[in-house]
Amino acid sequence: LAKTTQPISMDSYEGQEVNITCSHNNIATNDYITWYQQFPSQGPRFIIQGYKTKVTNEVASLFIPADRKSSTLSLPRVSLSDTAVYYCLVGDSGAGSYQLTFGKGTKLSVIP
Amino acid sequence: KAGVTQTPRYLIKTRGQQVTLSCSPISGHRSVSWYQQTPGQGLQFLFEYFSETQRNKGNFPGRFSGRQFSNSRSEMNVSTLELGDSALYLCASSLVWQGGKQYFGPGTRLTVT
Repeated sequence: LAKTTQPISMDSYEGQEVNITCSHNNIATNDYITWYQQFPSQGPRFIIQGYKTKVTNEVASLFIPADRKSSTLSLPRVSLSDTAVYYCLVGDSGAGSYQLTFGKGTKLSVIP
Repeated sequence: KAGVTQTPRYLIKTRGQQVTLSCSPISGHRSVSWYQQTPGQGLQFLFEYFSETQRNKGNFPGRFSGRQFSNSRSEMNVSTLELGDSALYLCASSLVWQGGKQYFGPGTRLTVT
């Protein structure tokens, strides 16, 4: 079963760039890496998804090295509204059956 | 397009009872996944259904079961409830199965007393 590891928490000042790294050592060969954002009392919300190298959309960038055993979510110029928990999600077929494994989440606190 | 809806939003049950939770996916989405979220264990995958068939399953006991109907709506059932089953149960729908971009519902908060 994939073990995904993320920092438990991070603090950042408004306007700074934030990078959150997730380690996933048993990612399925054909699977994507997906990041979600969750606010209290809400379901997770999709941020970005990638397979390898770099992906960028209007809210974030995702960097994935060649071995795909980790990924880094980059949030440019964070604001107070980015205070949330961020999860990486990967598929894992290491145990013989495919399972979706979330990291424990990184609680990002943006400071004014 | 309407989002993922889950009913009920809140539920209180007694130990030993059973409960059924419902999830209506986004129109056109054929995959529905269920997750359990607790402060201690975080988000844990329960199972995924696609075209009325369970495609993938997490490491939960057989007390947790589900099904999907022809209109893609899904139900999750937990029998013989335990105190440790108290959690937020989230469902997510996607166009494709096994790793597609998922859209989550607001969840059902289950409290077992």
